[in-house]
Amino acid sequence: QKEVEQNSGPLSVPEGAIASLNCTYSDRGSQSFFWYRQYSGKSPELIMSIYSNGDKEDGRFTAQLNKASQYVSLLIRDSQPSDSATYLCAVIGAGNTPLVFGKGTRLSVIA
Amino acid sequence: SAVISQKPSRDICQRGTSLTIQCQVDSQVTMMFWYRQQPGQSLTLIATANQGSEATYESGFVIDKFPISRPNLTFSTLTVSNMSPEDSSIYLCSVGRAAMNTEAFFGQGTRLTVV
Repeated sequence: QKEVEQNSGPLSVPEGAIASLNCTYSDRGSQSFFWYRQYSGKSPELIMSIYSNGDKEDGRFTAQLNKASQYVSLLIRDSQPSDSATYLCAVIGAGNTPLVFGKGTRLSVIA
Repeated sequence: SAVISQKPSRDICQRGTSLTIQCQVDSQVTMMFWYRQQPGQSLTLIATANQGSEATYESGFVIDKFPISRPNLTFSTLTVSNMSPEDSSIYLCSVGRAAMNTEAFFGQGTRLTVV
């Protein structure tokens, strides 16, 4: 059973701070890793993808991948109240298996 | 990314009835998927909709309960059959790119309530 684990939160951070979201996965052969943002009542929206170890930056978002530790994280710099949402980690395992989603971390940015 | 239109956006249905959800994409896509998101839960893959052949169902989901059609590369339907209150959920159509090993993009979802 391939699993993706996330802390459900809520994670509360003040406006302007860095929000750090974490995800671990069980399938050591996993190849591709994604972060989705889901506002309440809306469908998930892809915000970051990462495929190799290290950091990947896109605007205020940085994804970090450590395959040895089976760990993916998402950093949101200068957090804004509009970043308040549930963040879903998703992983594609070895052998072209479908995306497996974590349960998501609810982030609340306090103005 | 492709524009994915899903309808209906929401519905309230009587138990024992069936509902068909439609997913239309504005460009041809190889991979189409159907997910379910139960209240407060994450997304669970129901099946991969295969063009011209039977859908590939995940463990716990069967064709009799969730029949899927995919007549071409831009359209798919998911039917939720013989509904019970436990089927109340959000159903999401998603598309991927050329292969399985890519990210998924989602339609706006169908919020189903069974009473």
